[in-house]
Amino acid sequence: NAGVTQTPKFRVLKTGQSMTLLCAQDMNHEYMYWYRQDPGMGLRLIHYSVGEGTTAKGEVPDGYNVSRLKKQNFLLGLESAAPSQTSVYFCASSGRTANSPLHFGNGTRLTVT
Amino acid sequence: KQEVTQIPAALSVPEGENLVLNCSFTDSAIYNLQWFRQDPGKGLTSLLLIQSSQREQTSGRLNASLDKSSGRSTLYIAASQPGDSATYLCAVGKTQGGSEKLVFGKGMKLTVNP
Repeated sequence: NAGVTQTPKFRVLKTGQSMTLLCAQDMNHEYMYWYRQDPGMGLRLIHYSVGEGTTAKGEVPDGYNVSRLKKQNFLLGLESAAPSQTSVYFCASSGRTANSPLHFGNGTRLTVT
Repeated sequence: KQEVTQIPAALSVPEGENLVLNCSFTDSAIYNLQWFRQDPGKGLTSLLLIQSSQREQTSGRLNASLDKSSGRSTLYIAASQPGDSATYLCAVGKTQGGSEKLVFGKGMKLTVNP
């Protein structure tokens, strides 16, 4: 049982380049989330989705776009990377009930130079 | 705005101690509270989830309690072991704009010394 899988694990980008982070879950979860984790800032929600074909903005959405074309996949895109987007990115998923815990992937460490 | 606080930010203890980790939140209108563990370079692993109607949950040496009226939760770790060393985060679930979201504390780094 793979749970939540994120690819890639590491990536270095130059300012202005674009990339897509991939997240896949095999638990048939309705909800999926993208967070970033920075020292001293904790976990901050970027975008989330409550079902296939839906997306919504979280706390820090600027500079990112997302898509949920299939229930099991949630993609995070950076159109023009900036050094401020250097961070560790986590994808997470959960069921739709209040007793459904959040399951996290192992993260993508992104450096923008 | 919901704020979640974990104090202290770090704790170092000798092996065998019973520990209490604290989490406080400002808005009592939550639907659940979760405790997570994060090991270096890894994602978060869910330890315990307490629904808003519950007072506590237990799993092995871990016990989490919830007092919504005072805006507090505690995670009790019995007979701590070096393998318990990790960062522990709490998160409260709230409904906002018709959807559910988690608000995280910044975590507490625990070191258990042999």
